[in-house]
Amino acid sequence: GIQVEQSPPDLILQEGANSTLRCNFSDSVNNLQWFHQNPWGQLINLFYIPSGTKQNGRLSATTVATERYSLLYISSSQTTDSGVYFCAVNYGGSQGNLIFGKGTKLSVKP
Amino acid sequence: EAQVTQNPRYLITVTGKKLTVTCSQNMNHEYMSWYRQDPGLGLRQIYYSMNVEVTDKGDVPEGYKVSRKEKRNFPLILESPSPNQTSLYFCASSAQTGGGSQYFGPGTRLTVL
Repeated sequence: GIQVEQSPPDLILQEGANSTLRCNFSDSVNNLQWFHQNPWGQLINLFYIPSGTKQNGRLSATTVATERYSLLYISSSQTTDSGVYFCAVNYGGSQGNLIFGKGTKLSVKP
Repeated sequence: EAQVTQNPRYLITVTGKKLTVTCSQNMNHEYMSWYRQDPGLGLRQIYYSMNVEVTDKGDVPEGYKVSRKEKRNFPLILESPSPNQTSLYFCASSAQTGGGSQYFGPGTRLTVL
């Protein structure tokens, strides 16, 4: 099956810094999503981005499907950005099956 | 308020005692899914449903059953729970199958002794 790898596994930032999280996948995908899990366990969908670039406030994401990777940019990080960021992909003929990466744990220090 | 609800939020049970975790969404979403989250393994999909009466296996379906008799509800059934099913479970729904924004429930922490 498809492999989804995220890097770095852990990231510590000072408040105000920028960061880039990466998601590599080993096969062609139908779509790709980014999620944030806050320290209380709540999961929030950030982007649905099978290709191209999207922006939402301080966050933006780019997926280069032909090169099998996606990037999540966080600018001017805040302590509320802390948590774990997951990417998940759907591939093949089954449109409902989502495969998650193991996540990047981000800690933003004040 | 648009939301996905799960019950119970916390459950401690014993091996072999059948249990059901309920999931309900009020957004008229067609797609619903169950995931389990384990340390070091991340989130893995158990089952998903593209619509009423349509369900399919995810990556880790063994030991679980689901049903989708009505659009808003998607219960997860553990007929004979075992300790390796101790985990954090999330239900999610989406307006679009395989894509679009998924809305997650708050999670159910299950411990099987």
